[in-house]
Amino acid sequence: SAVISQKPSRDICQRGTSLTIQCQVDSQVTMMFWYRQQPGQSLTLIATANQGSEATYESGFVIDKFPISRPNLTFSTLTVSNMSPEDSSIYLCSVSERAYEQYFGPGTRLTVT
Amino acid sequence: DAKTTQPPSMDCAEGRAANLPCNHSTISGNEYVYWYRQIHSQGPQYIIHGLKNNETNEMASLIITEDRKSSTLILPHATLRDTAVYYCIVRVRETSGSRLTFGEGTQLTVNP
Repeated sequence: SAVISQKPSRDICQRGTSLTIQCQVDSQVTMMFWYRQQPGQSLTLIATANQGSEATYESGFVIDKFPISRPNLTFSTLTVSNMSPEDSSIYLCSVSERAYEQYFGPGTRLTVT
Repeated sequence: DAKTTQPPSMDCAEGRAANLPCNHSTISGNEYVYWYRQIHSQGPQYIIHGLKNNETNEMASLIITEDRKSSTLILPHATLRDTAVYYCIVRVRETSGSRLTFGEGTQLTVNP
């Protein structure tokens, strides 16, 4: 199974600033996903990141707020821009190696003050 | 993707079987049932999936009713480490993989 790491594991940021979260996978994968989990809530998909093309965003999420890069098959970044306290969440990346299985990273816990 | 309904919480005694139900009455013929769990402060973990036959792996068993409108995840001998939120997800299996739509899940608490 794929091993996924994320950096940073947690951060406290001031409103109006931006934070870039890194996701590194130990093998080449085609599809990577970014999810958000707000406090006490379930996971919500932000976007799908494919190498060599622009990310595909879900309803309610826009590129200006959550720009994503996918420079190669083992790495992706998610930036949370112009942060507000409502952006305080856990952000998780995941990869899909096979049709039925996704592997998730440990998450990045973001607090915006 | 078909909608699923799960109880918000369940309790189980350590060493006993934990049976987690899921209703998916609008499931289509080409949709699979997947189970994931999320232990506190960790990313979700894949458990098992199935189409219509019962499935078993080293983690759990999945029982799907004949009409496929409901299923049960069985943890045969629950341990304290099985305390987690369990998500039942119904979706079409795609060869290239696709996104998961998480509901609210069931918070399973295993008690000593």
